[in-house]
Amino acid sequence: QSALTQPRSVSGSPGQSVTISCTGTSSDVGGYNSVSWYQQHPGKAPKLMIYDVTKRPSGVPDRFSGSKSGNTASLTISGLQDEDEADYYCCSYAGRYTYVFGTGTKVSVL
Amino acid sequence: EVQMVESGGGLLQPGGSLRLSCVASGFTFSSYSMNWVRQAPGKGLEWVSCISSSCDTITYADSVKGRFTISRDNAKNSLYLQMNSLRDDDTAVYYCAYSSSDRRWFDPWGQGTLVTVSS
Repeated sequence: QSALTQPRSVSGSPGQSVTISCTGTSSDVGGYNSVSWYQQHPGKAPKLMIYDVTKRPSGVPDRFSGSKSGNTASLTISGLQDEDEADYYCCSYAGRYTYVFGTGTKVSVL
Repeated sequence: EVQMVESGGGLLQPGGSLRLSCVASGFTFSSYSMNWVRQAPGKGLEWVSCISSSCDTITYADSVKGRFTISRDNAKNSLYLQMNSLRDDDTAVYYCAYSSSDRRWFDPWGQGTLVTVSS
């Protein structure tokens, strides 16, 4: 049950693209197409941004996209906007009714 | 509209016990697994526990195994977390969330309930 590894921080200027990686193992990220991503602004509850690796819930801007290769999932924010500045967490199903979250990434808009 | 309302948090000393509750609405509670997720102040999210819809499967994170007990009452659309032998590092906001075999994500999130363990 080790946390998935994310970079501590990423940054970009408005309009640029940033990508957050989420590295796990074959027992979690690599073993299931069940990776989700959450955005969290300070003092707020997390918000679902991506589920099942690539799917976007209704209302989430299409500048947010997800992908996976092997044991690493990624969240890309294209056309970065000021309101995208927040913490982001990945999460993967890890089998037998268990889940594991990532260590979290702070996205800064320069 | 799906809604989760967590309650029961508070301030207590190390070694103490507390029972958290979560009342869910807007979906067929008895058909879904339920989870607890927590977030320590200034830290990341941590999955804590899951109970299947019929209670036949219960899982815990290693950090709480043997100290926490998850349970549910499908007639009351309610989820519980009995927390015993509390430690300083159990201090966190606790959230409940539902999931299933084809819904392996957490949405929506409630406001959570804050548990503070301190002497």
